[in-house]
Amino acid sequence: GENVEQHPSTLSVQEGDSAVIKCTYSDSASNYFPWYKQELGKGPQLIIDIRSNVGEKKDQRIAVTLNKTAKHFSLHITETQPEDSAVYFCAAGEGAGSYQLTFGKGTKLSVIP
Amino acid sequence: DSGVTQTPKHLITATGQRVTLRCSPRSGDLSVYWYQQSLDQGLQFLIQYYNGEERAKGNILERFSAQQFPDLHSELNLSSLELGDSALYFCASSVGRNSPLHFGNGTRLTVT
Repeated sequence: GENVEQHPSTLSVQEGDSAVIKCTYSDSASNYFPWYKQELGKGPQLIIDIRSNVGEKKDQRIAVTLNKTAKHFSLHITETQPEDSAVYFCAAGEGAGSYQLTFGKGTKLSVIP
Repeated sequence: DSGVTQTPKHLITATGQRVTLRCSPRSGDLSVYWYQQSLDQGLQFLIQYYNGEERAKGNILERFSAQQFPDLHSELNLSSLELGDSALYFCASSVGRNSPLHFGNGTRLTVT
């Protein structure tokens, strides 16, 4: 089955700096790669996703890049703000009509004011 | 707010007992997924239903079962509970094929 590795497990940045979180996956059949943000006491919230036919996607301060050959994808957050502090999860999905997402272990991002 | 509603928010019960967790998907979503989140295992896929029918099974124990009703709400039944079943249980829903998943805020289960 699919295996998703996520690094780093914790990340501290100064407010205004950029943050990068990286994930690798094992199953070349995976074709859907979402990123979720989880705040304390809440469920994961979808923040951006990318499909395998796209190499990069951007939404304001958030961007995701995908390298299918190397089987890795990354989340980039620019101009970080304190409210970006949360746990971020990457995931990989098998597609084919349902998304049985396999999640990474998460990255705890702390943005220091 | 994702639009996915889970009840109860917290549940404390004893080993050997049985509990039922409930999920109401977003309006219009036909697919419901159940995930378990624990500190050491992260988010683990349990089971998926689409329009009342089971579509996929993940790492779901035989002591656990689920169903999706005609009104599309879903219930996850956990029986013969063990200490190790203590975790957050999330429900997610999607419109259908190739659609993003939207998660509820979870039910925190504590087995004592």
